[in-house]
Amino acid sequence: GAVVSQHPSRVICKSGTSVKIECRSLDFQATTMFWYRQFPKQSLMLMATSNEGSKATYEQGVEKDKFLINHASLTLSTLTVTSAHPEDSSFYICSALRMDTQYFGPGTRLTVL
Amino acid sequence: AQSVTQPDIHITVSEGASLELRCNYSYGATPYLFWYVQSPGQGLQLLLKYFSGDTLVQGIKGFEAEFKRSQSSFNLRKPSVHWSDAAEYFCAVKLTGGGNKLTFGTGTQLKVEL
Repeated sequence: GAVVSQHPSRVICKSGTSVKIECRSLDFQATTMFWYRQFPKQSLMLMATSNEGSKATYEQGVEKDKFLINHASLTLSTLTVTSAHPEDSSFYICSALRMDTQYFGPGTRLTVL
Repeated sequence: AQSVTQPDIHITVSEGASLELRCNYSYGATPYLFWYVQSPGQGLQLLLKYFSGDTLVQGIKGFEAEFKRSQSSFNLRKPSVHWSDAAEYFCAVKLTGGGNKLTFGTGTQLKVEL
């Protein structure tokens, strides 16, 4: 149990375009999901906390208008990287909260050309 | 400041040898404690967690961890390492009653020699 999926697993886009990443809890409902960014050979950096039915809470230094988060249902949160630039290239990982434990998705590799 | 420390950035062990990965935290109270494993290009998989009770917890893949309050430690152990255990291991903590955010250690990269 506690399976989290992400789609797509890998995406390449041109600079200036927007990219949407989906995070789904497959076998449980999650009122709270999290979005992380991970740079090569580094730990995870929390970007924002996504709460179903309300606005996301962003960490300091994370641009809200650039990283749009929507948590419209109890099983789906989306992260949209708007007007992506090469510096946004990274590994994005989501997690879903179930009974005080975060369960992670497999990650999405974003490459912006 | 509250923090999680994984002192070993890299560890190399021979297949079949025992393993211990260290994790120390600095919080005023006992937090919830987690170990996750990440294979290259993958997300994180939960190995085990400690909330309360028995301080020796068993996890998946033959891993166990022991919470030692006096040392503020939560070290991960495995009696006999397999080549497939090569991965990055992250210790993480969550404050009890302090929201749901996790604070991660910097990770330990495990290499297994055949």
